Amino acid sequence: QQQVKQSPQSLIVQKGGIPIINCAYENTAFDYFPWYQQFPGKGPALLIAIRPDVSEKKEGRFTISFNKSAKQFSLHIMDSQPGDSATYFCAASGGTSYGKLTFGQGTILTVHP
Amino acid sequence: DTAVSQTPKYLVTQMGNDKSIKCEQNLGHDTMYWYKQDSKKFLKIMFSYNNKELIINETVPNRFSPKSPDKAHLNLHINSLELGDSAVYFCASSQFAGQGYSPLHFGNGTRLTVT
Repeated sequence: QQQVKQSPQSLIVQKGGIPIINCAYENTAFDYFPWYQQFPGKGPALLIAIRPDVSEKKEGRFTISFNKSAKQFSLHIMDSQPGDSATYFCAASGGTSYGKLTFGQGTILTVHP
Repeated sequence: DTAVSQTPKYLVTQMGNDKSIKCEQNLGHDTMYWYKQDSKKFLKIMFSYNNKELIINETVPNRFSPKSPDKAHLNLHINSLELGDSAVYFCASSQFAGQGYSPLHFGNGTRLTVT
């Protein structure tokens, strides 16, 4: 049962573009929504995370938008750079899940120079 | 210094063999995890240990057995390997995640190929 649905599967933008990756969740007990970035041959690394008490969080060029009523959240990358080319995963956890993250399917982002 | 280290990085073996993957973290975290990433890059939790105690055990074949000798180490032993076990296995750690908010720190993975 896929509890976190992520789209698109892949995304290609030009340098300076603003890629947007979307996620939707089903479990209303989720209350922690991180995004992870993974480069080839490396493990995922936390990029930014949000709790549902705010609708937006910004860290540098990365912004999470959160819509609790729609059970959706998205990642925006401002002024994207070729170095941002990676696989991005949204995830969710909550309740008494003891850190169990449910991941989305991943989005392969390519930023052309 | 590597925060979460896994060995080996690559593991190629034949069906039916038994193999182990080792993981160590030097972050002082209480909780460690094993995640499996399949060929489509989907990440799924397998196990989680908190202070050497098993707290998450997903629906994983009992051929997979985690062992935590202390809170800094979590090893994964796999018996009777099957073709479908081919994947990248990630070890991760976090502070005690009783509320689910602690960020995970992942190792760089072990690519297991079963032939």
